[in-house]
Amino acid sequence: ETGVTQTPRHLVMGMTNKKSLKCEQHLGHNAMYWYKQSAKKPLELMFVYNFKEQTENNSVPSRFSPECPNSSHLFLHLHTLQPEDSALYLCASSPGQGVEAFFGQGTRLTVV
Amino acid sequence: GIQVEQSPPDLILQEGANSTLRCNFSDSVNNLQWFHQNPWGQLINLFYIPSGTKQNGRLSATTVATERYSLLYISSSQTTDSGVYFCAYSGNTGKLIFGQGTTLQVKP
Repeated sequence: ETGVTQTPRHLVMGMTNKKSLKCEQHLGHNAMYWYKQSAKKPLELMFVYNFKEQTENNSVPSRFSPECPNSSHLFLHLHTLQPEDSALYLCASSPGQGVEAFFGQGTRLTVV
Repeated sequence: GIQVEQSPPDLILQEGANSTLRCNFSDSVNNLQWFHQNPWGQLINLFYIPSGTKQNGRLSATTVATERYSLLYISSSQTTDSGVYFCAYSGNTGKLIFGQGTTLQVKP
């Protein structure tokens, strides 16, 4: 256990569905991240939040909408996704940006 | 932009052999981490090593920040060491960027 918990672990959704991924950490960290890992590709940084403020949006399509209500929780709201969005979505947290990061177990998303 | 390159991309070892994985990065380093990704996708922290040398059991890592590379050493490899090893690096921007990974297979 890394102290970063993601739910659900697996998700299958249709292209017209709306769903949300949740990430929670009680490590007292101030920075939280979303990464996407597609098959046969390295991890791609999607969003960064530092003290609840978004500091990085790596040209992510608007069908992915992050939300950080407090420093312990991070959500990724999904709507009208495409099959190519199927991937492993990983959340991470760190005490601050640029410091050692810890990852959750990931959510394996399949869009049908 | 920031680049992180790992080598080799794939590695097959016989159990008991030693190996060295390399990570080259393109900018001055604030954070350098090595991870092992298990078959279920979980990223396991191996080392946080922006500079210097650390050891943890059969694993050790060295980062030479002035020459912009890091090495991960695996000694007396075991089948449970199989998986993908990632190097991740952040420079002045604070963004943690991952290399493409090294896929290691240890055969009994």
